Amino acid sequence: EDQVTQSPEALRLQEGESSSLNCSYTVSGLRGLFWYRQDPGKGPEFLFTLYSAGEEKEKERLKATLTKKESFLHITAPKPEDSATYLCAVPSGSRLTFGEGTQLTVNP
Amino acid sequence: DAMVIQNPRYQVTQFGKPVTLSCSQTLNHNVMYWYQQKSSQAPKLLFHYYDKDFNNEADTPDNFQSRRPNTSFCFLDIRSPGLGDAAMYLCATSSERQGGFQPQHFGDGTRLSIL
Repeated sequence: EDQVTQSPEALRLQEGESSSLNCSYTVSGLRGLFWYRQDPGKGPEFLFTLYSAGEEKEKERLKATLTKKESFLHITAPKPEDSATYLCAVPSGSRLTFGEGTQLTVNP
Repeated sequence: DAMVIQNPRYQVTQFGKPVTLSCSQTLNHNVMYWYQQKSSQAPKLLFHYYDKDFNNEADTPDNFQSRRPNTSFCFLDIRSPGLGDAAMYLCATSSERQGGFQPQHFGDGTRLSIL
């Protein structure tokens, strides 16, 4: 059975304090890995797709990387507006298998 | 902007009273999904339409049904809501014509409360 595990469950950072979120996966035949951001009371917002090990994608203060077993979402010099829950997901059959998410809080 | 729109944003219904949630999209995507998300949990897929083909998840409760009258609209019907059905319901779309697995684009959800 395909599995996605995210860590940590929650992360508190000071503004400007860089860190990384982890998404480890077990899937037969990776067809991509997706990162989403979800704000309270809203639907997930698509951030990145990664398709193969070694691939990297960047958007503002976020950089996503992918290995054969896990993906990292690196946050450089975060700001309070980066506070959200970050979800990763992998295709599993015709559906997405989501991790439980990392709730990120960035304090000013 | 092309988007996925869900109505209403908040829905309150009584225990056992049928309720319908709606989703529309301007992305012209051929696949539409319904998810249930409870507090601090990952979204849980209920069912999806690949074009007109309906695909039900094995563990989706029988009182959950869906309709897709055309490409742009999809409805989630809950025939007899129980207290355990209180959740955020998310609609998502994706385009699979190009092959491979494309990212899903989500609406902002409908928060369902059961009295």
